[in-house]
Amino acid sequence: GQQLNQSPQSMFIQEGEDVSMNCTSSSIFNTWLWYKQEPGEGPVLLIALYKAGELTSNGRLTAQFGITRKDSFLNISASIPSDVGIYFCAGQVYGGSQGNLIFGKGTKLSVKP
Amino acid sequence: DTEVTQTPKHLVMGMTNKKSLKCEQHMGHRAMYWYKQKAKKPPELMFVYSYEKLSINESVPSRFSPECPNSSLLNLHLHALQPEDSALYLCASSQETGVGGTIYFGEGSWLTVV
Repeated sequence: GQQLNQSPQSMFIQEGEDVSMNCTSSSIFNTWLWYKQEPGEGPVLLIALYKAGELTSNGRLTAQFGITRKDSFLNISASIPSDVGIYFCAGQVYGGSQGNLIFGKGTKLSVKP
Repeated sequence: DTEVTQTPKHLVMGMTNKKSLKCEQHMGHRAMYWYKQKAKKPPELMFVYSYEKLSINESVPSRFSPECPNSSLLNLHLHALQPEDSALYLCASSQETGVGGTIYFGEGSWLTVV
């Protein structure tokens, strides 16, 4: 079945550093989504990518949809303590399991003040 | 407004109890979902409703019973659960299924089965 390989599994960084995480797959996806989940909360949508090669920013966050539709990265610039959480990538196939999301296993981000 | 509201936030129930989780969205979305999430794992799909009809049941045990009373509401009825069913239950919605409508999640309901 479809799988997303998300890396790294965890990151420990200093406040102010830039962060980069990525997801790859052997399958093609129509949409890539990046979510952040904080302890005790549901996933919050950060960025949605719909076109191959699309580069989208949301404040300090930047994400790109790979040209082959098989990968995506998320960058966070100048990290701050409130960036702490688990970041999930998710791929979606049109017409496939009725829009079901295939999730990566998450990247746990820790930021040291 | 991209809000999906879930109640209760926390629920503790015994293995013989009957309880329900509720979800509401007012974004005009026609697809609603229930996901289950265990600690340190990604969400796993349980059910999908499209236009108020159940379209996907991911082999979920019958002790979980979904209900979609109208296009804005989604319930998950719980009966005779097991301790291993303790998890975060997430409701989500999107404009449509199958055409890549962005999926928005609620804050979740923490369920503990004792």
